[in-house]
Amino acid sequence: KQEVTQIPAALSVPEGENLVLNCSFTDSAIYNLQWFRQDPGKGLTSLLLIQSSQREQTSGRLNASLDKSSGRSTLYIAASQPGDSATYLCLVGGQAGTALIFGKGTTLSVSS
Amino acid sequence: DTEVTQTPKHLVMGMTNKKSLKCEQHMGHRAMYWYKQKAKKPPELMFVYSYEKLSINESVPSRFSPECPNSSLLNLHLHALQPEDSALYLCASSQGSGGLYEQYFGPGTRLTVT
Repeated sequence: KQEVTQIPAALSVPEGENLVLNCSFTDSAIYNLQWFRQDPGKGLTSLLLIQSSQREQTSGRLNASLDKSSGRSTLYIAASQPGDSATYLCLVGGQAGTALIFGKGTTLSVSS
Repeated sequence: DTEVTQTPKHLVMGMTNKKSLKCEQHMGHRAMYWYKQKAKKPPELMFVYSYEKLSINESVPSRFSPECPNSSLLNLHLHALQPEDSALYLCASSQGSGGLYEQYFGPGTRLTVT
């Protein structure tokens, strides 16, 4: 059964820092991996989708990479801003079973 | 239009009430999903509809009853809920069902059961 882990669970950084969020998964038979942000009490905003055949995707200050063989994805946020404060979730789109498994998220706080 | 809409935004109901949540998308997606999210937890998949047919029910209690009247609309009928069912209910859609396709989420309905 697929298990998805996000480390760290929480992260506090000063404004301007570059940071990396991690998502690992146990079953490498996946179709894609999607990163979301969620503000408190709100829905999920899609940030980046990486297909299994891709190594990375970029959108503005965000860069997501995928290493399927090692079961890892990272979300790199450059020059962090207080507006980046949110919970970041990864969603693994697997090939077997229920096929849609979220990690527990990383709660990011960026102070000014 | 890449939007999934959900109504109502907030709902408070008693344990004997019957209410419904509504979700709509106009992206031509053929799969729609209900997720439940408790505070400080990730969303948990409840139901998946593919081509208007229920394809996955993640052992959800029968007090939750999904319905997909057409390919754009998804309802979740609620009856005799318990206080522990209070949560954020998220709807999502994708081009097809399963892990192959990008998921698009709505803003959610915040449900409180009293």
